[in-house]
Amino acid sequence: EAQVTQNPRYLITVTGKKLTVTCSQNMNHEYMSWYRQDPGLGLRQIYYSMNVEVTDKGDVPEGYKVSRKEKRNFPLILESPSPNQTSLYFCASTSGYNEQFFGPGTRLTVL
Amino acid sequence: AQSVAQPEDQVNVAEGNPLTVKCTYSVSGNPYLFWYVQYPNRGLQFLLKYITGDNLVKGSYGFEAEFNKSQTSFHLKKPSALVSDSALYFCAVRDMNSGYSTLTFGKGTMLLVSP
Repeated sequence: EAQVTQNPRYLITVTGKKLTVTCSQNMNHEYMSWYRQDPGLGLRQIYYSMNVEVTDKGDVPEGYKVSRKEKRNFPLILESPSPNQTSLYFCASTSGYNEQFFGPGTRLTVL
Repeated sequence: AQSVAQPEDQVNVAEGNPLTVKCTYSVSGNPYLFWYVQYPNRGLQFLLKYITGDNLVKGSYGFEAEFNKSQTSFHLKKPSALVSDSALYFCAVRDMNSGYSTLTFGKGTMLLVSP
């Protein structure tokens, strides 16, 4: 089954404690992206990757890092999380100019 | 810069009535346009897209959308709403000239269908 998986689905952590949210896709897509969803703000792109070892900033990259060492994986790293990063995070992948496939989401709470 | 506007935070409609969820966009080049739906505690699901061709696009679950270049709009429609259509709907746009990088979403419209 074609899918994008994210782990963990829910995470509660404390300010400053480094965390990683994993994302994996099994569709051999070149393009992957991370979004955060906040009430009243819709989805905002954090980072994207056009292929292995190629990443670039989206609209709200501050406080986040990503890496793309393999085509299928695109982890999101918060090195020192803060409460304003409490949000719902989505990973997505696509090929060409087609629609994006979204993961199920990760709900992060930073205390 | 490209942008998407969904002017209604919420749309209320009775079951069986037609529904419209509005979307207008702004891009410098030609647009790729998408509609996604999000059910509670779920990820976004693709509904339909406009790339080129017919202005009326048909998608999943009986939804359709009409591309209007002169009004820069891409409204989502359904002839007869179901209670199960109640969800959060997002319009998104990509500029054909901007490459892979930028898919811009609207803020979302909550659709509530009453029995």
